[in-house]
Amino acid sequence: DTAVSQTPKYLVTQMGNDKSIKCEQNLGHDTMYWYKQDSKKFLKIMFSYNNKELIINETVPNRFSPKSPDKAHLNLHINSLELGDSAVYFCASSQGYQGANTQYFGPGTRLTVL
Amino acid sequence: GQQVMQIPQYQHVQEGEDFTTYCNSSTTLSNIQWYKQRPGGHPVFLIQLVKSGEVKKQKRLTFQFGEAKKNSSLHITATQTTDVGTYFCAGIDGYIFGTGTRLKVLA
Repeated sequence: DTAVSQTPKYLVTQMGNDKSIKCEQNLGHDTMYWYKQDSKKFLKIMFSYNNKELIINETVPNRFSPKSPDKAHLNLHINSLELGDSAVYFCASSQGYQGANTQYFGPGTRLTVL
Repeated sequence: GQQVMQIPQYQHVQEGEDFTTYCNSSTTLSNIQWYKQRPGGHPVFLIQLVKSGEVKKQKRLTFQFGEAKKNSSLHITATQTTDVGTYFCAGIDGYIFGTGTRLKVLA
């Protein structure tokens, strides 16, 4: 069984469209994250939820809206997609959010905006 | 804001050579984690260091946490082609990732 899964794996879309990426973890973790990895491989935190509550909200355009229906799921909705949104988006989860917590990453979603 | 820099950004080595990546934080860290990302893959946790001056080993990999807890290093002895990938350190409760070091190993 996959610990952290994301769908879709690839997403190709036109500028201006709205799209969603889904993430699910079956590890029983309390905390989930969204990261963006650009073409230079920089891995940047976007959001984090702990028990469905938003705890980290980095400087991200408000076109990006996370939603956590329960602590096993964290979805990312992106409105009005722009060329600069092209990247690989990783979901991750950890037991907690403070102190030393190992993060388990999903396989990533490669988003290409044309 | 919090910054975690890694050097070098890229490193090409011949198989069998040693490799070291260095991680430097702008602030003191309570702990540091290391992750490896294979090409086309996702980051995978390697190890966590908590104590000042701590040294941990995993087979050919040696991890060190600086005395001031602001820097860390990962040293690989006698690299193999399976070591190819990007190595990241991560600080501040593990979610501020370093800039990464991409390692290529030439057979």
